[in-house]
Amino acid sequence: GAVVSQHPSRVICKSGTSVKIECRSLDFQATTMFWYRQFPKQSLMLMATSNEGSKATYEQGVEKDKFLINHASLTLSTLTVTSAHPEDSSFYICSARRQGGTGELFFGEGSRLTVL
Amino acid sequence: KQEVTQIPAALSVPEGENLVLNCSFTDSAIYNLQWFRQDPGKGLTSLLLIQSSQREQTSGRLNASLDKSSGRSTLYIAASQPGDSATYLCAVMGLTGTASKLTFGTGTRLQVTL
Repeated sequence: GAVVSQHPSRVICKSGTSVKIECRSLDFQATTMFWYRQFPKQSLMLMATSNEGSKATYEQGVEKDKFLINHASLTLSTLTVTSAHPEDSSFYICSARRQGGTGELFFGEGSRLTVL
Repeated sequence: KQEVTQIPAALSVPEGENLVLNCSFTDSAIYNLQWFRQDPGKGLTSLLLIQSSQREQTSGRLNASLDKSSGRSTLYIAASQPGDSATYLCAVMGLTGTASKLTFGTGTRLQVTL
């Protein structure tokens, strides 16, 4: 099966600092990765679409300068939450689409961010 | 704009029962539909993927159907077990413009009791 790994799984940081979350496809190449945010007991909200070698496409209302996305290789995308504030505390999940696949998406385990 | 709804929002059944989870979507122009399972505080595990040209997919005790014209999908779980307790999400992938995106339903929280 296709495995997507996210790191870190939990992170606590002080307000004003930046946090980087990594998303790796371990056994396949992913031309497209997606970053989602999930609030408690709610469904996933798409934040941005990350394409290898090009700029990410952000959803309406998502600040691109706040949530920096880099997709430098076919197996790694990173999300950096810059100058984090308590309202950025959330569960962030990435997913990856296998290159040449059926369109099926595989998800990471998620990263719980808590900003104090 | 695609909207995906799941009914019921929560469900509690005794072990061994067969059950059906429902998913409806407003725009029938979809590329595929995917069912996921999410355990508390965890990511999503893909259960079944149905392409728009398919009517159903089966994996073990799970069977998912798709009726694109009516905008509906069902996930059938046979002989439920306590380990099936989780939130189940359906998601559809659109055809045009935002073709690469998944629109998620609101989820059904399932509790299987002993």
